[in-house]
Amino acid sequence: SQKIEQNSEALNIQEGKTATLTCNYTNYSPAYLQWYRQDPGRGPVFLLLIRENEKEKRKERLKVTFDTTLKQSLFHITASQPADSATYLCALDITGGYQKVTFGTGTKLQVIP
Amino acid sequence: GAVVSQHPSRVICKSGTSVKIECRSLDFQATTMFWYRQFPKKSLMLMATSNEGSKATYEQGVEKDKFLINHASLTLSTLTVTSAHPEDSSFYICSARAGRGGNTEAFFGQGTRLTVV
Repeated sequence: SQKIEQNSEALNIQEGKTATLTCNYTNYSPAYLQWYRQDPGRGPVFLLLIRENEKEKRKERLKVTFDTTLKQSLFHITASQPADSATYLCALDITGGYQKVTFGTGTKLQVIP
Repeated sequence: GAVVSQHPSRVICKSGTSVKIECRSLDFQATTMFWYRQFPKKSLMLMATSNEGSKATYEQGVEKDKFLINHASLTLSTLTVTSAHPEDSSFYICSARAGRGGNTEAFFGQGTRLTVV
């Protein structure tokens, strides 16, 4: 069965540093991979989507890489700020007729001032 | 970006009663909506996929008679938790997509915190 794992439940990082989150998956070859941010008590918010033929995608301070050989995606936040503190989820789109999204376990990022 | 509105945001109900949660796409038509459940400190678990005008498709282990889904229009899907019990207490989240395919962004509602007492 499809398995999506994110490297750690929690990650603490000093303000200004680069945060790197990892997403590993097994038993599937997704055409796309997405990253979301979720704040406590709220629904996830879409951040970035990367396609299988894209090695890297950037959006402001965010950068996502996608290595289909390693079955891994890395999510980077540069110059991290306390406001970046949240849980970050990676998600794969399992195309089985209705394009459903399956989420990873999530990593709770805490940026310390 | 597109907006998905979920209502209510919080509900407390007595054991044995039913609760309806609404999910509306406010500025786009959603042919497909998804319902998720999230336990504390856990990721979102897909419960079912709701397709407008047809029966919902439930994930393995999700009781369709327990969690009734209706997608009556292109902008509204409802989840009814029937005969709720304390173990049904959870955070329920819906999402909607404007198009088809994995490259279309999913927009999420703000979630509903259900507490069954």
